[in-house]
Amino acid sequence: GAVVSQHPSWVICKSGTSVKIECRSLDFQATTMFWYRQFPKQSLMLMATSNEGSKATYEQGVEKDKFLINHASLTLSTLTVTSAHPEDSSFYICSANEPTANTEAFFGQGTRLTVV
Amino acid sequence: GESVGLHLPTLSVQEGDNSIINCAYSNSASDYFIWYKQESGKGPQFIIDIRSNMDKRQGQRVTVLLNKTVKHLSLQIAATQPGDSAVYFCAETISGGYNKLIFGAGTRLAVHP
Repeated sequence: GAVVSQHPSWVICKSGTSVKIECRSLDFQATTMFWYRQFPKQSLMLMATSNEGSKATYEQGVEKDKFLINHASLTLSTLTVTSAHPEDSSFYICSANEPTANTEAFFGQGTRLTVV
Repeated sequence: GESVGLHLPTLSVQEGDNSIINCAYSNSASDYFIWYKQESGKGPQFIIDIRSNMDKRQGQRVTVLLNKTVKHLSLQIAATQPGDSAVYFCAETISGGYNKLIFGAGTRLAVHP
């Protein structure tokens, strides 16, 4: 199947700093990518839909100024957690739809963010 | 459907037994459903999918059943193996749009030798 790669796999940052997470579709072009957040022992919660060349669409309750999304190319979307706080510590996962795979979404391996 | 603040239920089975994992979805307009397997520290892995015009679909050792009347999905795993131990999520979406997935609460499957 199609490959989606996230970087970094894990990151530890100090409270108040910003962290950027990258999501790349390695062998296909993705006009739309999705960002999810997953707290321990919980399900994946959709944060936002990343649209290539336009603004991201955020889910209700997700602060767009805190979670900055940039989808500047057909193979790369980035999520920047600005002014991170300990409560932002979570597992962040991206996904992308490969056009020829119809509706199946391919997921990255996730990024474990720990804010200390 | 959407899960908020729920902890994962656990299904414990013996190796070789069949496993049945259940999921209730929330949106009657959803027409495409997917089961994912998630191992610790990794992203979800596609297992099997089903469209709303079907009520059963079989894969290798897995079967998905869809009951639209009660908005219920189940995943059946035959001859469960230790490697099947993971958290399983169902996801629903409305195809034809951005394919935004809404995940169910998840079930942890623990396979004992």
